[in-house]
Amino acid sequence: DGGITQSPKYLFRKEGQNVTLSCEQNLNHDAMYWYRQDPGQGLRLIYYSQIVNDFQKGDIAEGYSVSREKKESFPLTVTSAQKNPTAFYLCASRQEETQYFGPGTRLLVL
Amino acid sequence: DQQVKQNSPSLSVQEGRISILNCDYTNSMFDYFLWYKKYPAEGPTFLISISSIKDKNEDGRFTVFLNKSAKHLSLHIVPSQPGDSAVYFCAASRPDSNYQLIWGAGTKLIIKP
Repeated sequence: DGGITQSPKYLFRKEGQNVTLSCEQNLNHDAMYWYRQDPGQGLRLIYYSQIVNDFQKGDIAEGYSVSREKKESFPLTVTSAQKNPTAFYLCASRQEETQYFGPGTRLLVL
Repeated sequence: DQQVKQNSPSLSVQEGRISILNCDYTNSMFDYFLWYKKYPAEGPTFLISISSIKDKNEDGRFTVFLNKSAKHLSLHIVPSQPGDSAVYFCAASRPDSNYQLIWGAGTKLIIKP
């Protein structure tokens, strides 16, 4: 059963804390993406990776970091430098022109 | 600079009727357009796409129309069903952008019984 998984579904962050969101895919896709969605807005690109060991900043990369050590995995770290981290985070992988999404992680600040 | 615009935040349609969702874009370099459906607290689900070399693409109840001269595309859902109630996003990509997608803000579709 191929797909994209994200964990956890809900994540709570304390002030000054870094948190890492997991994204795994078994679709054998090379490219992976991280988006952020805020209420009433479209998706905004945080980081993307076209291939293992390579990634590029998207439109709103400040306060975030990523790694791409394996084809299947593209974790996103929300650092303490991200001053407004509360949002719904979506991971996607791409086949040709189409991106396919995981179920999302909602990050809340305590 | 909002390159992809969905000007209707919401749309209400009677069950069984046609739903028409609209999307406008400003960048003539976009060559591929996609529609996604999203339920609350879930990831978007890919619905249908269209290349700029076509003006229509159909998949079951869903049809996407592209008018390049007007920089406008629309998604038609016929007949509309209660399960179609969701937020619909339009997205566009350029060939020189590593397939990055530019997203509209979404239109919330409500199907009334």
